[in-house]
Amino acid sequence: GNSVTQMEGPVTLSEEAFLTINCTYTATGYPSLFWYVQYPGEGLQLLLKATKADDKGSNKGFEATYRKETTSFHLEKGSVQVSDSAVYFCALIQSGGSYIPTFGRGTSLIVHP
Amino acid sequence: NAGVMQNPRHLVRRRGQEARLRCSPMKGHSHVYWYRQLPEEGLKFMVYLQKENIIDESGMPKERFSAEFPKEGPSILRIQQVVRGDSAAYFCASSPYGLSNSNQPQHFGDGTRLSIL
Repeated sequence: GNSVTQMEGPVTLSEEAFLTINCTYTATGYPSLFWYVQYPGEGLQLLLKATKADDKGSNKGFEATYRKETTSFHLEKGSVQVSDSAVYFCALIQSGGSYIPTFGRGTSLIVHP
Repeated sequence: NAGVMQNPRHLVRRRGQEARLRCSPMKGHSHVYWYRQLPEEGLKFMVYLQKENIIDESGMPKERFSAEFPKEGPSILRIQQVVRGDSAAYFCASSPYGLSNSNQPQHFGDGTRLSIL
């Protein structure tokens, strides 16, 4: 079956540091890949997505590139802010299947001033 | 433009009681999805509904759990005879069309935190 594996958190950084949150996946075929962000007490919000190999999704300074050869979709940001503190979820939707998303366990990011 | 509305935000029940969680999708959305989030875990799909129809309930426990999305009114996730293990955050998401397009994201509500005493 499909699965998404994320690096364990929490990830603790100082403001303006470089961020990488690793995500790898297992799926048949060519899934679409997503990053969601969850702020405390809220639901998930779509951050970015990529639908085919070598696509780069980007939003609010965050980027992730769909790497089919390594089955990865790592999230990066060049300079994090305190307001980026949240839980980040990697997810995939299998095309040609049930189209129900498969989520990773989430990675907590804590940014200190 | 209101987003996905869930209520209550927090719900406390004693073991053996019933819990009812409500979800009003975004305006114009006729597809609703329920997820459960246990502490330190990701979201687990439970059920996918359209108006008056259950499309996919493969993630729903076979006993005590049920869901509906009537023609009028919100979608309801109902948990009968709750147990401690039901304590979790329950999220609802909606979309304007069914998940026939793998590019299409869902819009999430803020969730209901269910605590079982």
